Amino acid sequence: NAGVTQTPKFQVLKTGQSMTLQCAQDMNHEYMSWYRQDPGMGLRLIHYSVGAGITDQGEVPNGYNVSRSTTEDFPLRLLSAAPSQTSVYFCASSLDSNYGYTFGSGTRLTVV
Amino acid sequence: GESVGLHLPTLSVQEGDNSIINCAYSNSASDYFIWYKQESGKGPQFIIDIRSNMDKRQGQRVTVLLNKTVKHLSLQIAATQPGDSAVYFCAETDEDSSYKLIFGSGTRLLVRP
Repeated sequence: NAGVTQTPKFQVLKTGQSMTLQCAQDMNHEYMSWYRQDPGMGLRLIHYSVGAGITDQGEVPNGYNVSRSTTEDFPLRLLSAAPSQTSVYFCASSLDSNYGYTFGSGTRLTVV
Repeated sequence: GESVGLHLPTLSVQEGDNSIINCAYSNSASDYFIWYKQESGKGPQFIIDIRSNMDKRQGQRVTVLLNKTVKHLSLQIAATQPGDSAVYFCAETDEDSSYKLIFGSGTRLLVRP
């Protein structure tokens, strides 16, 4: 199993541009989440999904959209990038609420 | 809202000594807690978890202690090694749903040779 795969690993955007961060897992996990991590801080939940077709907002959802059309994929869309969205983004998945999340290696995003 | 925080931002220990990383949480309804290790440039890695019906759980060189009375969680690492140098996060489940983890701000563990 590849686990949780995130692409790209690095990205630079100009203010106002849009893009999609990709996340895929091959463990047949129902739960998937997106977090952002700012320097010297913990992870903050952006959006999460408990199964295909079901998504909900986390702690910091503004400026981001998600969809979950398949169990494997959970893309995160930045609608109009802003410098405040400069961060490292982590995708994670879990079998269910009885297990901890497995994290991807992250996407480092810089908005200039 | 609920929060998970850590007392010490940086902990420096001698190689071979035991390490103790502490975490306070505010939500008395939380029922699942996890410790993660994050090395530089990598995603968080699961270390050990514990449910609220337990006080202690042991893994390989790690032990998690849960004190629900004072809402305190700790991670003990025995015989700390240079490879243990990383940032450690505690996380708890959100009071509204068990699939949302709330993370603390992290403690950096530095192991002196």
